Amino acid sequence: EPEVTQTPSHQVTQMGQEVILRCVPISNHLYFYWYRQILGQKVEFLVSFYNNEISEKSEIFDDQFSVERPDGSNFTLKIRSTKLEDSAMYFCASSVDPQETQYFGPGTRLLVL
Amino acid sequence: AQTVTQSQPEMSVQEAETVTLSCTYDTSENNYYLFWYKQPPSRQMILVIRQEAYKQQNATENRFSVNFQKAAKSFSLKISDSQLGDTAMYFCAFMLSGNTPLVFGKGTRLSVIA
Repeated sequence: EPEVTQTPSHQVTQMGQEVILRCVPISNHLYFYWYRQILGQKVEFLVSFYNNEISEKSEIFDDQFSVERPDGSNFTLKIRSTKLEDSAMYFCASSVDPQETQYFGPGTRLLVL
Repeated sequence: AQTVTQSQPEMSVQEAETVTLSCTYDTSENNYYLFWYKQPPSRQMILVIRQEAYKQQNATENRFSVNFQKAAKSFSLKISDSQLGDTAMYFCAFMLSGNTPLVFGKGTRLSVIA
């Protein structure tokens, strides 16, 4: 069964450094999403992406964040200058269309020191 | 804005017993979808069940079923014949019709006890 994959599974970085989180959505899916979950809290939406542009973004998704689909398979989330409060689990999700179920990857656990 | 409330932070159930997790939501819209996701200790988010608001029939997936009460804006999850592998955090989620993000509740931590 096809699934969403994410790399790396864990990332430790110093405050102020740039990180890139990578996702490979399910191959026939066209809609892509990033969510994050701070430890012990609920999952929060960051951004949705369709047809090579952002469809919607939350207030969390400020100028420090960007997304890109650099090729036909990868979908990336970049955090330009990480802050301590960016420490969280970051989930990528994809769906075949907006009405359909979003399938999640296993997440990247980001720790900013 | 839509909100999702899960009023039970933690629950436990004996193996083979049945447990029901509660979820309520608030929306003024008529067309939407509801989901239950499971997050085991590995922290991966796994879809358990999905319900379309326009469908009156409650969704069922093997041991998992929902009680969808649209007028009451209630969407509970029933797990029958609970298994140790059901131990996880369970999140209720809401999605409006269209390209909109999922809105999650705070989750219910379920422990299945042998």
